Amino acid sequence: GEDVEQSLFLSVREGDSSVINCTYTDSSSTYLYWYKQEPGAGLQLLTYIFSNMDMKQDQRLTVLLNKKDKHLSLRIADTQTGDSAIYFCAERGGNTGKLIFGQGTTLQVKP
Amino acid sequence: DTGVSQDPRHKITKRGQNVTFRCDPISEHNRLYWYRQTLGQGPEFLTYFQNEAQLEKSRLLSDRFSAERPKGSFSTLEIQRTEQGDSAMYLCASSLVGLSGRNEKLFFGSGTQLSVL
Repeated sequence: GEDVEQSLFLSVREGDSSVINCTYTDSSSTYLYWYKQEPGAGLQLLTYIFSNMDMKQDQRLTVLLNKKDKHLSLRIADTQTGDSAIYFCAERGGNTGKLIFGQGTTLQVKP
Repeated sequence: DTGVSQDPRHKITKRGQNVTFRCDPISEHNRLYWYRQTLGQGPEFLTYFQNEAQLEKSRLLSDRFSAERPKGSFSTLEIQRTEQGDSAMYLCASSLVGLSGRNEKLFFGSGTQLSVL
């Protein structure tokens, strides 16, 4: 079945770049998403990429997609303490918002 | 606040009791989703509505779960005869999609945290 895998934890220093990785299994995925979740809050959509693209940049965020390897990454430039949160990768295979989420990567930013 | 709102934020109940959660989507969003999230995991899809029609239900949604969206606006999720395994965060999301359904962006609420004792 469909599966999305992420590493569980990443720690960086403030000002460094963070790279969060994700792998997925569904080759028919149309869109891939990155969501951010802060404690006690819902999920906030950060960015997304269509499957026929290999890169998308949005201010401090860069998404790279390697469709051959089914690998997605999120790079956060100049990471700030406010970026500390759990980051979820999600894939969408069909024509609905039924998303398959990874288990989340906890990003810890040290001052 | 014009985001997705969920009520209550927290619910503590005893095993065997029934509980009902409410979700108010962003105004005029035609799709509404329910997801469940347990500690340390990503959200898992439960069901979704297009306007008032429930179009898909996950196998996770047992017979004890029922969801409604009677007028195509707010939605309720009811769990009957709760079990300890139902303890989770229940998240609602809404979206506005056109005929093509492309690039659907889901906006999530803050969730209802259910604890079954």
